[in-house]
Amino acid sequence: AQSVTQLDSHVSVSEGTPVLLRCNYSSSYSPSLFWYVQHPNKGLQLLLKYTSAATLVKGINGFEAEFKKSETSFHLTKPSAHMSDAAEYFCVVSGGSNYKLTFGKGTLLTVNP
Amino acid sequence: DADVTQTPRNRITKTGKRIMLECSQTKGHDRMYWYRQDPGLGLRLIYYSFDVKDINKGEISDGYSVSRQAQAKFSLSLESAIPNQTALYFCATSDPGLVADTQYFGPGTRLTVL
Repeated sequence: AQSVTQLDSHVSVSEGTPVLLRCNYSSSYSPSLFWYVQHPNKGLQLLLKYTSAATLVKGINGFEAEFKKSETSFHLTKPSAHMSDAAEYFCVVSGGSNYKLTFGKGTLLTVNP
Repeated sequence: DADVTQTPRNRITKTGKRIMLECSQTKGHDRMYWYRQDPGLGLRLIYYSFDVKDINKGEISDGYSVSRQAQAKFSLSLESAIPNQTALYFCATSDPGLVADTQYFGPGTRLTVL
């Protein structure tokens, strides 16, 4: 069994300040973890993925995430928010059957000027 | 051109009508999926297909059926639409990975059932 908890349903930051979107997971297997982003009226775009290689994963648009097994966490960060980062972000876990994805409920990121 | 396309992008229909949502992909992937997204619930898997002859139910398949017409085409049907099927529907594709598939999503179809 696997599950994902995104700890904040809504995060609001000012442009130029750091972004932290929190994700905890549970999996009976060694998990693979993903972050997807969904801009308004758009599909889901892969930001980054962890598949048991380096624990610090770098993605597109300056985002990165760190896999911490002891904390069962996979938080998404970015040093400096940009207006174009405003979107909904989904943390996703895959384990066991490698096709089956379990999605978190999403975190809406608002970036204020 | 987009790798995964969905038609229509928006659809409004009435209770009891039959609706088909279509998905096409040019990524050459064997695996295709249908999800629905509801506000505050993330995405949930409806059906998936690993090749043309392989169709499997996901976690919320009741009220839905699918057809895999070719490697590149995967359709979702609502035989008799009901209001609680109002949602955003996504098609996705993937290639089997050594550890985990990376899934690539279409732009979505917004379906409203009145």
